[in-house]
Amino acid sequence: SQQGEEDPQALSIQEGENATMNCSYKTSINNLQWYRQNSGRGLVHLILIRSNEREKHSGRLRVTLDTSKKSSSLLITASRAADTASYFCASNAGGTSYGKLTFGQGTILTVHP
Amino acid sequence: NAGVMQNPRHLVRRRGQEARLRCSPMKGHSHVYWYRQLPEEGLKFMVYLQKENIIDESGMPKERFSAEFPKEGPSILRIQQVVRGDSAAYFCASSLRTQGPSRYEQYFGPGTRLTVT
Repeated sequence: SQQGEEDPQALSIQEGENATMNCSYKTSINNLQWYRQNSGRGLVHLILIRSNEREKHSGRLRVTLDTSKKSSSLLITASRAADTASYFCASNAGGTSYGKLTFGQGTILTVHP
Repeated sequence: NAGVMQNPRHLVRRRGQEARLRCSPMKGHSHVYWYRQLPEEGLKFMVYLQKENIIDESGMPKERFSAEFPKEGPSILRIQQVVRGDSAAYFCASSLRTQGPSRYEQYFGPGTRLTVT
């Protein structure tokens, strides 16, 4: 099985609700990153959390990291229709001195107006 | 400051032809990563290059695929004798440094969508 598995695979919510996506990984990490990808487009970097951090905020985004469980979660609060996209976690393996990333399968988020 | 540029954005090749994908990193960036995204999947690391050097090619298929990043010009991902299974989106990313926290920050291009007919 692969590093960076995400749950759920798809999430459908109403505008204004919160969206939570989870990610698991298998090896030690230097950091874990979250990206957004709109349909057929490139990736947009959302947030990076280092292995010694437990929580990080950026606007409506909140990321947590639990290294004991090798898991991370991304919370989007007060969602908007424009948040509709695929969300990927990507881990940078511990001991790696460069930015090589291992991506999860992604969560498809649909926010209904 | 222009972002990472990739061309072509869309490429159609018949089975057996060659595909050349180009990536121009952000200005001042000398480190390039290539990833492949198969339909309905996440991105998979292929190769990491610095100028004139391949540092990590652990994700590259053993045959038909090659990559380079010359001293001048863009990075090239080359696929010889393409097959239908090569149809995917190919993304490159660039980064600035090899030291310090910034070495983990990557900036992605818009991708090249390769279709093999």
